[in-house]
Amino acid sequence: AQSVTQLGSHVSVSEGALVLLRCNYSSSVPPYLFWYVQYPNQGLQLLLKYTSAATLVKGINGFEAEFKKSETSFHLTKPSAHMSDAAEYFCAVSDPTNYGGSQGNLIFGKGTKLSVKP
Amino acid sequence: SQTIHQWPATLVQPVGSPLSLECTVEGTSNPNLYWYRQAAGRGLQLLFYSVGIGQISSEVPQNLSASRPQDRQFILSSKKLLLSDSGFYLCAWSPSLPGGANYGYTFGSGTRLTVV
Repeated sequence: AQSVTQLGSHVSVSEGALVLLRCNYSSSVPPYLFWYVQYPNQGLQLLLKYTSAATLVKGINGFEAEFKKSETSFHLTKPSAHMSDAAEYFCAVSDPTNYGGSQGNLIFGKGTKLSVKP
Repeated sequence: SQTIHQWPATLVQPVGSPLSLECTVEGTSNPNLYWYRQAAGRGLQLLFYSVGIGQISSEVPQNLSASRPQDRQFILSSKKLLLSDSGFYLCAWSPSLPGGANYGYTFGSGTRLTVV
């Protein structure tokens, strides 16, 4: 069964510092991976996704993530944090070989709240 | 382009009252539809998903139910709300293609429900 682990429920960085949000997955097959961002009282917005093409994926707002199969990781990074990056971030995984039922749905991590200090 | 609408944005309801939250999708046909709940500190909890009209799968036994009366309409209901039903409710859709979830989900803007 697939699972997603996000290390750190809260991460705090200073404005201009590197942002690193960790995501590890467990999957029996090479998965598809996603990062979503959620601002307060809003829905989730897709930041980026990995679908077995390039292992380094660039997303919106200057974020990127690298798929590392050997580490079963898909960490999200941004070189320089901005105050507007303060939000909750969710990693999600799906099984590209599974075509239906609940097993075919996205599995979400528990989320990491990012705080950005001025 | 596809859009998803969810309403109301906020709702305050007394314990024991009924609930109806609506979600509609435009610009696509036969989408897979999902209802999630976020309770404080508990992440995203999948409540229901639907692959077609009248087809509802429940992931967690609840005081809630879901219905899909039309292709692009998904409704979350309760006959009698509990305090524990408070939370942020999110609707989402994905393409109905094989492995549609692999395209990712598109979420609505959410409904903040407070049961008092």
